[in-house]
Amino acid sequence: DTAVSQTPKYLVTQMGNDKSIKCEQNLGHDTMYWYKQDSKKFLKIMFSYNNKELIINETVPNRFSPKSPDKAHLNLHINSLELGDSAVYFCASSQVSQGTEQYFGPGTRLTVT
Amino acid sequence: SQQGEEDPQALSIQEGENATMNCSYKTSINNLQWYRQNSGRGLVHLILIRSNEREKHSGRLRVTLDTSKKSSSLLITASRAADTASYFCATVLNDMRFGAGTRLTVKP
Repeated sequence: DTAVSQTPKYLVTQMGNDKSIKCEQNLGHDTMYWYKQDSKKFLKIMFSYNNKELIINETVPNRFSPKSPDKAHLNLHINSLELGDSAVYFCASSQVSQGTEQYFGPGTRLTVT
Repeated sequence: SQQGEEDPQALSIQEGENATMNCSYKTSINNLQWYRQNSGRGLVHLILIRSNEREKHSGRLRVTLDTSKKSSSLLITASRAADTASYFCATVLNDMRFGAGTRLTVKP
């Protein structure tokens, strides 16, 4: 059973397009996250979402927006894609907000051409 | 910055040897965690050490934490080829911040 799943695994698209990445967790966790990992493997938090409370990393452009239809899902919408958005995006979840171990999805490799 | 910085950036050893990776950080923390990432995969949690703990063990893993020096180390004993991966420390205060990781290669 996959604990945290993401779709798609690979996403290739052109500049200016709008795309979404889906994330689902079946662990019953309260908090979900989105991370961006760049080409140098540096992992950076983008958002955390807990009981309808959204905490945004201030460096994330407002072209990125998380949407949570329910506690088990946190999707990432990206508008007007730019070349610099190319990266691997990871979804994660944890039982409580921050501080405890996080469970990561397999990642979505986004390539913007 | 709160985020951890791993040292070395890359480490190559023979199977059976021990591997030591270090993590330094700059601010107070609630806890520090170590994660492993195999190539092309998501991160997997290895161990969590709280700020009031000094050492923790889990199987072949040993983690130390020195809050006075703001540093932590991860020791993998009797390494195996399957331990080949990137290892990240993550510091937790208000949120979780990751370093750039140590790339470990264990040669069979």
